[in-house]
Amino acid sequence: ETGVTQSPTHLIKTRGQQVTLRCSSQSGHNTVSWYQQALGQGPQFIFQYYREEENGRGNFPPRFSGLQFPNYSSELNVNALELDDSALYLCASSLEGGGNFRETQYFGPGTRLLVL
Amino acid sequence: DQQVKQNSPSLSVQEGRISILNCDYTNSMFDYFLWYKKYPAEGPTFLISISSIKDKNEDGRFTVFLNKSAKHLSLHIVPSQPGDSAVYFCAAGYNTDKLIFGTGTRLQVFP
Repeated sequence: ETGVTQSPTHLIKTRGQQVTLRCSSQSGHNTVSWYQQALGQGPQFIFQYYREEENGRGNFPPRFSGLQFPNYSSELNVNALELDDSALYLCASSLEGGGNFRETQYFGPGTRLLVL
Repeated sequence: DQQVKQNSPSLSVQEGRISILNCDYTNSMFDYFLWYKKYPAEGPTFLISISSIKDKNEDGRFTVFLNKSAKHLSLHIVPSQPGDSAVYFCAAGYNTDKLIFGTGTRLQVFP
């Protein structure tokens, strides 16, 4: 049990719609990273938030956006959904961003998104 | 461009024997490497890590070896147990917490 929770667990959307996924970080963790895991692939880094500011971004288009709140919960928003956005979305929280605590990324169970 | 590669999608090992999971990388900037374990319906769980200044790190039954010249790392599990059956991801990073993951190896440990 890592203390990182995500909601919802499953979601079905249609192409063109918008979706918001939520993550509640482990208590005291000020950094959250979001990953997309397509079927048969490893997680791919989307972006990271550190103290409510974006702190690094992977190779994802601007329709993927995020927010981090003062209570360290966070959101991943995806606009104009495409079929290829179907994947497991994972958030991971850690105590410090960009520092030495690399191994302490604690992952949530993920939200499985299906786009039809 | 797959910077971190796990070329074996699956591995089957008898209980009590050694499991060896392999990982190759292409980016010489990577300065730390991690192994994560993932059960179905759960997020990845951190297992063990190694800094690029080391060539070996051990934690109980788990040992990670790093060969920088070959850009290769491996995870050894000795002895393997049925509870080790899971998907194992290697990941690499540098400077930030952005991790680059491999595609995973499914380990099955049978009695």
